[in-house]
Amino acid sequence: QSALTQPASVSGSPGQSITISCTGTSSDVARYNLVSWYRQYPGKVPEVLIYEVTKRPSGVSNRFSGSKSGNTASLTISGLQAEDEGDYYCCSYEGRTGVFGGGTKLTVL
Amino acid sequence: QVQVVQSGGGVVQPGGSLRLSCSASGFIFSTYAMHWVRQAPGKGLEWVAVVWHDGSNKFYADSVRGRFTISRDNSKNTLYLQMNSLGAEDTAVYYCVRDEGTYKFDYWGQGTLVTVSS
Repeated sequence: QSALTQPASVSGSPGQSITISCTGTSSDVARYNLVSWYRQYPGKVPEVLIYEVTKRPSGVSNRFSGSKSGNTASLTISGLQAEDEGDYYCCSYEGRTGVFGGGTKLTVL
Repeated sequence: QVQVVQSGGGVVQPGGSLRLSCSASGFIFSTYAMHWVRQAPGKGLEWVAVVWHDGSNKFYADSVRGRFTISRDNSKNTLYLQMNSLGAEDTAVYYCVRDEGTYKFDYWGQGTLVTVSS
């Protein structure tokens, strides 16, 4: 149960697109299409942005999209806005249990 | 509307025990898997445990297996986490989380802080 690997930080200017990667193994990200993404503002509860790799819950902006290739999943945020600044986490099913990534701090310049 | 309200938590001495509770409403509790996720101060999210909708299966992170027990009472719409042999490394905010079925954690409790300290 090793944590999935995410970059510690990413940044971008308003209007730009950024991508956050989430690297796992053949036992989790590569094996199952059960990767989800969460955003957490400081002092707040996480909220789901993407589930089952590419699906977006109702109410989540279509500026958020997910994808996967091999053992790496990705979250892309297009048209970056100031409100996107926060911490982002990926999560994967790994056969009976779950595992989160270490988290990525997104800074909007 | 869906609500997931946690109780319990607090300060406990190393080696001690604590039980967290999570009361659910606004949905058919017995049809959802439920998880516990924790977050140490200033750190990232860590998956802790899951119990299937009917309580038939329970799985744990390596870091808590043998010390923590997840359970549920579907007649009371309540999820529990019994934590034993607590150590400083267990200090964290603990979240009760609903799973729509595909590791889509769509509703989170407000979180409860557990501090292990002498």
